[in-house]
This record gives sequence, structure tokens and C-alpha cells, in this order.
Amino acid sequence: AQSVAQPEDQVNVAEGNPLTVKCTYSVSGNPYLFWYVQYPNRGLQFLLKYITGDNLVKGSYGFEAEFNKSQTSFHLKKPSALVSDSALYFCAVSPFFGGYNKLIFGAGTRLAVHP
Amino acid sequence: DAGVIQSPRHEVTEMGQEVTLRCKPISGHNSLFWYRQTMMRGLELLIYFNNNVPIDDSGMPEDRFSAKMPNASFSTLKIQPSEPRDSAVYFCASSLVLAEETQYFGPGTRLLVL
Repeated sequence: AQSVAQPEDQVNVAEGNPLTVKCTYSVSGNPYLFWYVQYPNRGLQFLLKYITGDNLVKGSYGFEAEFNKSQTSFHLKKPSALVSDSALYFCAVSPFFGGYNKLIFGAGTRLAVHP
Repeated sequence: DAGVIQSPRHEVTEMGQEVTLRCKPISGHNSLFWYRQTMMRGLELLIYFNNNVPIDDSGMPEDRFSAKMPNASFSTLKIQPSEPRDSAVYFCASSLVLAEETQYFGPGTRLLVL
């Protein structure tokens, strides 16, 4: 079955420290991978995506993600966390079939950045 | 671009009433998605339209839920009759059709059924 796993319900980081939010997927073929962020009482905002090419993808607000095909992972990273990065983060995968961009979402990881 | 527009932003209704949620996708996008988000079940895809045609409605929970897309710029999600367990945040998203295209989400409608 196709699935996305975000193994941590919450990640706590001190401001200024690097952060990593983990994501692994189980999808046949070569999927497209996405990260979204959700601030309180807001919709999901697109951060970045991996389609093909360089395994390190850079996105909005200084975030980046590394695609690792052998480990089927797509971890989200930022070199220096800000308190304003505190939010709910979703990893999603779009299985490559039929041109239909249905997204399979992970359960989400809550990031808390402490001053 | 104004982004995806949803209305109302908040809806409080009583059990048994009809609820209609509305969505205006980004101009030029030909895919539209309705999602439901709850604490218990997370983010669930309810239905997907491509060029105004419902393609995948396997996520629609039951016959009380229905969705329409009469034209490229408008979609509705209707719940009739509503039940307390329908309380959730409902999101609409739109995109271009290909698998690598990004879905853009609206701000959501927070529904509370008493």
C-alpha cells in the first residue's frame, strides 16, 4: 500500500539550531515529493518539492529537503531555526501514474522552536 | 492572483441542517480537490475533479456528502443532513493536472455541527 510516514509527532528545537523533520514513503515507481506547512487557523502552504535532478531541493523561508531514493526518505531541514517556524509540517507524495496528481499526506509533525 | 477562495470561513449549524461549502479555484487550474482535516483522522481527500468532472470520489464518507463543479471557477461541497461527527476543517485545493504540479490550498472552512 502507498503511504507516507512522519515518525515524529513533535520536534522541539532551540532557536538558532538546525532542524530536521523526517519523512519516509512507500510508493512504487518514482514519486514526486512535497512539503507543506500549516500555521494555526490557516490552510496548507507549499514549501518545496522534488521532481527530478539534484537530490537537495531548496524552498521557501530557507527550508531545504534531501531526497534519498535508497532510504525512500525526504527529510526537511533548515540550518538555523526561527521561532516563527513553529507550525505543523506535512510531507506528501504524488505517485506517478496516469497524470493524476493525487497527494498522499503524512500525519504531520508539529515543530516547536523555543527562544 | 487571489489564490484559492473558500466561503464561508466559519460555519456553525445544528444537526440535521444542510451545509454548503464553496470554493473558487485559481484561474487556469483544471484540477480541484476537497479535503477534510480532523485531529483524529488527519488530512483526508474527499473528492477530486479534473476539468469539472469528478474523477475520484472514493473518499466521500457517505451519501450525505455531495460535491459539484458546474464550471471551471466554482465548486460546492454539500452535507445533508449534517451530523456532529462532520465537524472539521474543510479545505479546497487546486492545481494544474500533471502529477508533478503543486496543489494550492484555500484557507479552509471551519465547520461545527451542534
